[in-house]
Amino acid sequence: DTGVSQDPRHKITKRGQNVTFRCDPISEHNRLYWYRQTLGQGPEFLTYFQNEAQLEKSRLLSDRFSAERPKGSFSTLEIQRTEQGDSAMYLCASSLVGQAGSGNTIYFGEGSWLTVV
Amino acid sequence: RKEVEQDPGPFNVPEGATVAFNCTYSNSASQSFFWYRQDCRKEPKLLMSVYSSGNEDGRFTAQLNRASQYISLLIRDSKLSDSATYLCVVNGAGTYKYIFGTGTRLKVLA
Repeated sequence: DTGVSQDPRHKITKRGQNVTFRCDPISEHNRLYWYRQTLGQGPEFLTYFQNEAQLEKSRLLSDRFSAERPKGSFSTLEIQRTEQGDSAMYLCASSLVGQAGSGNTIYFGEGSWLTVV
Repeated sequence: RKEVEQDPGPFNVPEGATVAFNCTYSNSASQSFFWYRQDCRKEPKLLMSVYSSGNEDGRFTAQLNRASQYISLLIRDSKLSDSATYLCVVNGAGTYKYIFGTGTRLKVLA
C-alpha cells in the first residue's frame, strides 16, 4: 500500500502523559499536513511542512504540541502533558507540488485516534 | 465568520432524489476548491475538485461562483452508498493550508 500511513491508529492515555504520532506520507510527496478532527466538526488545520521546513502553524497548536519532519520524509506530532480536550482524531495528509500535472490534491491517512482519560 | 461555512444537515433524502449542498467561503482570494467525502470514523477522501467553469463526474456536479463566494455540489439519482458527510475545502492564496467546512451530513433512505 503506497498511501499515507499513520501510527498508532488508536491511543488511550492518561491525562498529563505525552504521546507521539507518526506519519509516513505518500512516497515522494513533498508537502505534509497535520489536522485535528473532533466529532461533528471538519478537520482543523494544525501545521504543514514543505520538505523538512515547517511553513505554517495554526494558533490551535499550543506550546504543548510540536511537529517535526527531520528528513523531509516521515513526520511526528508530539503532544505533551495531554489534556482531555486533546481527545480527537489526528489526521495526516500529503501532497506533491511543483510537478506539472500533479495538482494540489491532498491525500489523508486513516488517522490516529487519541483518547485522554 | 468562519472561513468556510456549510449547512451541517442532516439531509435525509429518498433513493433516486437529487440533492444539493452549498458552501460559502470568506477569503475572496481563494484559488482552489474541493469537495471531500468522509464516511463515519474514516478519513476524508477526495470526491472532486471544483473548477471555475464547473465540472461533472458521473452523478456529481460541482459549481463555483466566485462573485458570491460559494461552491455547490449536486448529487443526482442518490444511492444508499452516497450516505456520508461531504466536506467543502478551500485553499487560500498566499497560503497552502486547506480549510475545511464542518461538513454536511447526507443520509439516503431506502
